[in-house]
Amino acid sequence: DGGITQSPKYLFRKEGQNVTLSCEQNLNHDAMYWYRQDPGQGLRLIYYSQIVNDFQKGDIAEGYSVSREKKESFPLTVTSAQKNPTAFYLCASSRRGGEQFFGPGTRLTVL
Amino acid sequence: SQQGEEDPQALSIQEGENATMNCSYKTSINNLQWYRQNSGRGLVHLILIRSNEREKHSGRLRVTLDTSKKSSSLLITASRAADTASYFCATATPMEYGNKLVFGAGTILRVKS
Repeated sequence: DGGITQSPKYLFRKEGQNVTLSCEQNLNHDAMYWYRQDPGQGLRLIYYSQIVNDFQKGDIAEGYSVSREKKESFPLTVTSAQKNPTAFYLCASSRRGGEQFFGPGTRLTVL
Repeated sequence: SQQGEEDPQALSIQEGENATMNCSYKTSINNLQWYRQNSGRGLVHLILIRSNEREKHSGRLRVTLDTSKKSSSLLITASRAADTASYFCATATPMEYGNKLVFGAGTILRVKS
């Protein structure tokens, strides 16, 4: 069953904590992406990775970090430096130049 | 920054009617893509139209692209209640190994049965 998975579905964080969101794909895609979505808005790109062991900042990278040690995995860490982390986080993957396939999302809430 | 701007922000129609959503953008693009999002879910890719194409069809979907006006439209014909969702356009600009997508704020479509 091919696809892209994200976990957890819901995540609660206390202020000052770092949390890590998981994203895994078995589509053999080279590129992976993290987006943030706020209510009533479109998606904004946080980080993207086009190949293993390489990643670039998107439009709103401050307060976030990523790693790409394996082709299948692209975890996102929301650090305490992110001042307003409550949002819906979406991971996507694609072949080079192809359409992006999205995971089901993780809803992060800061308590 | 968001390049795509969808219009209208919200659209409410009766089942069986057609729904038209528009998207405008600012810079040159490789292609333009339309996505659908059901409430609280991930995005589903609907259709991709390349910069050298003017019109594309997929089932009940028809997309047009006018690069001179930097605009695109998505037409959903014979709408169904199940089409109720948010629809986003995304413009693709080239990166070293692929395309970077920039999403608009979306159009919320409600189809009443």
